[in-house]
Amino acid sequence: DAKTTQPNSMESNEEEPVHLPCNHSTISGTDYIHWYRQLPSQGPEYVIHGLTSNVNNRMASLAIAEDRKSSTLILHRATLRDAAVYYCILRDGWTGANNLFFGTGTRLTVIP
Amino acid sequence: SQTIHQWPATLVQPVGSPLSLECTVEGTSNPNLYWYRQAAGRGLQLLFYSVGIGQISSEVPQNLSASRPQDRQFILSSKKLLLSDSGFYLCAWSDGSTGANNEQFFGPGTRLTVL
Repeated sequence: DAKTTQPNSMESNEEEPVHLPCNHSTISGTDYIHWYRQLPSQGPEYVIHGLTSNVNNRMASLAIAEDRKSSTLILHRATLRDAAVYYCILRDGWTGANNLFFGTGTRLTVIP
Repeated sequence: SQTIHQWPATLVQPVGSPLSLECTVEGTSNPNLYWYRQAAGRGLQLLFYSVGIGQISSEVPQNLSASRPQDRQFILSSKKLLLSDSGFYLCAWSDGSTGANNEQFFGPGTRLTVL
């Protein structure tokens, strides 16, 4: 699986939008972009994933660059419960076992 | 609905002692199952995954082993624990039947301290 690069940490004020960047310059044509987040002392939880087009769900939006070498996870209004480590992961769409290779992610701090 | 259970929640073991962590999934059949470890202050490392009973793939050489004796049961073991085995162990499952991009669902984890 190709590698991703994320900032180690970011801060946001509560109720403001948050844009979490991820670079994946070596992405291949069959790689999907997945985002997970991990709250303190818990297992990761799925946030969103996409291939080429921007994606929206109840948790967040995913904006994917036209060349697919970068993407941005958007939290529209940060809450204190959004404080977590956010992982950007590339997954080959042809791999049968759905293996995920986590990096160190971005630690998001939400300021009240 | 599907649920995933792990036990114990916390464990303190002496160096050289054996280990057995259990993970079970309810509400689904033929899941893909995974064991991850998270050392203090670090990211998650995939240890093992399984696509079926008795089928185990190891991602990294280590002091641990995994077994899948039943469809929805995944066990992580060690014969002799090392200090470096300390960490947060997470079991996860994904739907094995509907394609290669199913999300993974993680259990609550087991925090292991080896002294």
